Amino acid sequence: QLQLQESGPGLVKPSETLSLTCTVSGGSISSSSYYWGWIRQPPGKGLEWIGTIYYSGSTYYNPSLKSRVTISVDTSKNQFSLRLSSVTAADTAVYYCGRLGISAYYYKWFDPWGQGILVTVSS
Amino acid sequence: DIQMTQSPSSLSASVGDRVTITCRASQSISSYLNWYQQKPGKAPKLLIYAASSLQSGVPSRFSGSGSGTDFTLTISSLQPEDFATYYCQQSYNTQFTFGPGTNVDIK
Repeated sequence: QLQLQESGPGLVKPSETLSLTCTVSGGSISSSSYYWGWIRQPPGKGLEWIGTIYYSGSTYYNPSLKSRVTISVDTSKNQFSLRLSSVTAADTAVYYCGRLGISAYYYKWFDPWGQGILVTVSS
Repeated sequence: DIQMTQSPSSLSASVGDRVTITCRASQSISSYLNWYQQKPGKAPKLLIYAASSLQSGVPSRFSGSGSGTDFTLTISSLQPEDFATYYCQQSYNTQFTFGPGTNVDIK
């Protein structure tokens, strides 16, 4: 059974860079059938897609975050990572990683998700 | 980008009730619409993909319908474990967006 686990610092200072890693177990991140993504959720608010990556390194980013976001993949470690630069309090959120399944006709959906990690931006 | 809206934003219902949640896209997205359930402190869980396909392991009381801009999620007989927040998400292009969510609580 595929599982995803987020890891990284739970506290980041304003103006610094948030860095998180998602470790995939029970399956290969190099599968041609899937993409991998990051989604976040500020406390008490809704879900916001951050970006998506394919094992080859192709990426897609939320236009509202694109200037600050980098998503990368390390197939040797079965991991993918998120870097978000110049963070502010508005970036405080639970950050989830997820697998993006793709079917015929390019239907796409996130399943499963990691348990999430709360990252607080504060000095 | 494609904006998603949901109605109602919250609803109160009783066990056994039939519940319908609506999701609307700002432009046609064909059937590229997913539904997720999220319980407090937990990650979202996929219920429905491609507007009407039930994810494996999801109870058959959940169903989805719609295409174009208007979609619905129906719970045919609400169970105690269904009290949660429900989100729609469009996957029409590579820029995904979620609806604001509908909170279903106990009447």
